[in-house]
This record gives sequence, structure tokens and C-alpha cells, in this order.
Amino acid sequence: DIQMTQSPSSLSASVGDTVTITCRASQSISTYLNWYQHKPGKAPKLLISVASTLQSGVPSRFSGTGSGTDFTLTISNLHPEDFATYYCQKSYSPPLTFGGGTKVEIK
Amino acid sequence: EVQLVESGGGLAQPGRSLRLSCTASGFTFSDYAMNWVRQAPGKGLEWLGFIRSKNYGGTADYAASVKGRFTISRDDSNSIAYLQMNSLKDEDTAVYYCGRGWRPRSDLWGQGTLVAVSS
Repeated sequence: DIQMTQSPSSLSASVGDTVTITCRASQSISTYLNWYQHKPGKAPKLLISVASTLQSGVPSRFSGTGSGTDFTLTISNLHPEDFATYYCQKSYSPPLTFGGGTKVEIK
Repeated sequence: EVQLVESGGGLAQPGRSLRLSCTASGFTFSDYAMNWVRQAPGKGLEWLGFIRSKNYGGTADYAASVKGRFTISRDDSNSIAYLQMNSLKDEDTAVYYCGRGWRPRSDLWGQGTLVAVSS
């Protein structure tokens, strides 16, 4: 099975900063990679699908790039509501494995 | 309103069974695959499995960690997906979420139901 590795596992940042989260697949997954935001007690929220397609209603400060094995999620101009945990997930063929998550905390 | 609502969680003893439900509303349930994921205390999201829509055969796939113990099914007439969990273990303690969709994305999730396995 394909493994998904996220880095870093956590980071501290300030409002207004730009942060980048990396997700690496153990084998090529083309662009079948989604990014989610998750806050405690809430439903996971889909931010980006097929590596770079921003979902409707998601602010443009979120962006995704990559293909093959290496992917990034960038959050520009961090807002207070962006402090959360972010996950990548491979899609298309099961198992639909998640990365380990990246917790974005307030500095 | 388009939403998913999980139910059926609670306290269960090790070795016992529990069935979770995911009730959908606001969309054509039968058109979508349905996923189950969980988050154990202090851990990340873990994909458990999904069931395809009838148009894609209605079959299910599972994570290796739960294959043989967990079964996903669906009732399209009532817009409900189920997660049958057998031979529960302490490590199955988690919040369980259902999600809509598969290829290329799962775009709607419920708020979860808590399962606690303890003697």
C-alpha cells in the first residue's frame, strides 16, 4: 500500500504569516491528492482536491501544488481561523490513506 | 440542508459489537460512495473503508487494520450508511466520521460520533 508522509507534524506561526505543509507519497499518485482542515469537535473540511483545485467557498489564501509523489499546501496571510490540523489524503484507489497531519498553532 | 449525521456511538465492552449509522439528507444518497474514518484520542485521521454506489457495484473496501472486523453497508432507500464493528478492542476508542464521495474527493463529512471501548 502507498504510504503518505506529512511534514512537519506541527508548526507555530503568527497571524499574517505564510506556511507550507508538505505531503509525500511512497509511490506516484498522479494528482489524486486532497487536503483537509480539521478542528476539534468539527467535521473535516475539504480545502483542495486533485492536488490544486480549490473548493467552492474556500479562501484563495489556500493553495495546493504537486503531482507524482510530492505535494504542498500553502496558506498565505494566516487568519486566526486557520489554526487547525491539516491532512493530506490520497484518493482514487483504496486504501484512501491520510497523512499523519500537521497541526498549525499560534506562535 | 446537505448534511451527514452520525449516530450509534457510546460505551461498549471489549469483544462486543456496535453499529454506527450515517444518515444523509439534502442530496441523492444513492449517487455517492460513503466513507468511514476515525480519530483516536491524540491521533490523526485514519481511513477505515468505503462502500461504492450501486452504479459502481456497491462493493466495499477496507483498511487492513479493520478488515475482517468492520463491515460497511448501505440502505439507499433510507439514505443511511452503516459501520458494523465487531470484536471491539480498546484501541477502537475514537470519534467516528462518515464522509460522502470517493473519486476524486470526499467533499462532505459529518461531525462524528464517539465510541469508547472499555470494560
